[in-house]
Amino acid sequence: EDQVTQSPEALRLQEGESSSLNCSYTVSGLRGLFWYRQDPGKGPEFLFTLYSAGEEKEKERLKATLTKKESFLHITAPKPEDSATYLCAVQAGGSYIPTFGRGTSLIVHP
Amino acid sequence: KAGVTQTPRYLIKTRGQQVTLSCSPISGHRSVSWYQQTPGQGLQFLFEYFSETQRNKGNFPGRFSGRQFSNSRSEMNVSTLELGDSALYLCASSPAADQLADTQYFGPGTRLTVL
Repeated sequence: EDQVTQSPEALRLQEGESSSLNCSYTVSGLRGLFWYRQDPGKGPEFLFTLYSAGEEKEKERLKATLTKKESFLHITAPKPEDSATYLCAVQAGGSYIPTFGRGTSLIVHP
Repeated sequence: KAGVTQTPRYLIKTRGQQVTLSCSPISGHRSVSWYQQTPGQGLQFLFEYFSETQRNKGNFPGRFSGRQFSNSRSEMNVSTLELGDSALYLCASSPAADQLADTQYFGPGTRLTVL
């Protein structure tokens, strides 16, 4: 069974304090790993897709990386508006059904 | 371009009742997926419809069903509601036929409370 584990569950940062969120996965035949951002009262918003180990994607203060076992979402010099829950999901094998992690709740204090 | 809309946004039902939720995808999108989000289980896939046909189905009991209309609008139905069905139900639409999760646009969800 595909497993996706995110850590930490919650993270509090001061504005400007860089950190990383982790998404570890146990799947056979990774098709894609996806990062989403979810704000309270809203649906998830797509951020990145990573397909193979060694791949990296960047968008503003966010950078996603992928290894054979895990993905990191690096947040550089975060701002309060980066506060949200960050979700990762995988699609693997012959199934297109995505498996989501439970998310990391990020709060950035000014 | 209008986003994915879901109605109603909030719903309160009692155990044993049934409920129907509605999703209008982004214009031109032919794929609609439904998810259940709870604090305990996170975001879980329910089913996906493409061109009025159920293409993928998650591991949920038969009480959960859905359909898609010719205009791509979709409904999901939950019969014989249980307390554990209380959740945020999210709909996502996609223009792609290739079923990749990165083409999905999520709606704001319907918050269902079962008393």
